Amino acid sequence: EDQVTQSPEALRLQEGESSSLNCSYTVSGLRGLFWYRQDPGKGPEFLFTLYSAGEEKEKERLKATLTKKESFLHITAPKPEDSATYLCAVQAHSNYQLIWGAGTKLIIKP
Amino acid sequence: EPEVTQTPSHQVTQMGQEVILRCVPISNHLYFYWYRQILGQKVEFLVSFYNNEISEKSEIFDDQFSVERPDGSNFTLKIRSTKLEDSAMYFCASSGPSSYNEQFFGPGTRLTVL
Repeated sequence: EDQVTQSPEALRLQEGESSSLNCSYTVSGLRGLFWYRQDPGKGPEFLFTLYSAGEEKEKERLKATLTKKESFLHITAPKPEDSATYLCAVQAHSNYQLIWGAGTKLIIKP
Repeated sequence: EPEVTQTPSHQVTQMGQEVILRCVPISNHLYFYWYRQILGQKVEFLVSFYNNEISEKSEIFDDQFSVERPDGSNFTLKIRSTKLEDSAMYFCASSGPSSYNEQFFGPGTRLTVL
């Protein structure tokens, strides 16, 4: 069964304190792994797509990496506005749907 | 920047009533989706739609649910007889021109069934 597990459930950091969020997955033929940001009461906001192991993508203070079993979202010198829930989702070759993790709630304290 | 829009933002209904949730996907996208998120839980896939037909649906998407693209811009989700457990945020998403492309989400409709 295709499955996505994210850790930790919640992460509190001081402003400027770098860290990483983990997304472990099992999927029968990975088409793509997606990272989204979700603010309370809002829809998921697209951040990155990763398609193959070894791939990396960067956007401002965020960098996403992918291996054959997991993905990391590295956040460097975060600011309070980076506070949100970060969601990981996978898409299998045989499907159109995204299969989602439960998310990591990131809180950046000033 | 193009975006997915959804109406209404909040819908309150009585159990057993029909509701229609509306979405306007990004104009040049070809694939359309509905997801839901019960408060505090994971996002769950409901259905995908391409070329005027359902391409994939989940176990949640039973006979009480239907989707339609009535014209060139709108994409709707109908729940025929709402249940208490249908209370959730419903998100519309679109992608294209390939199903490989990332899915862009609307702001959601919060459905409350009383």
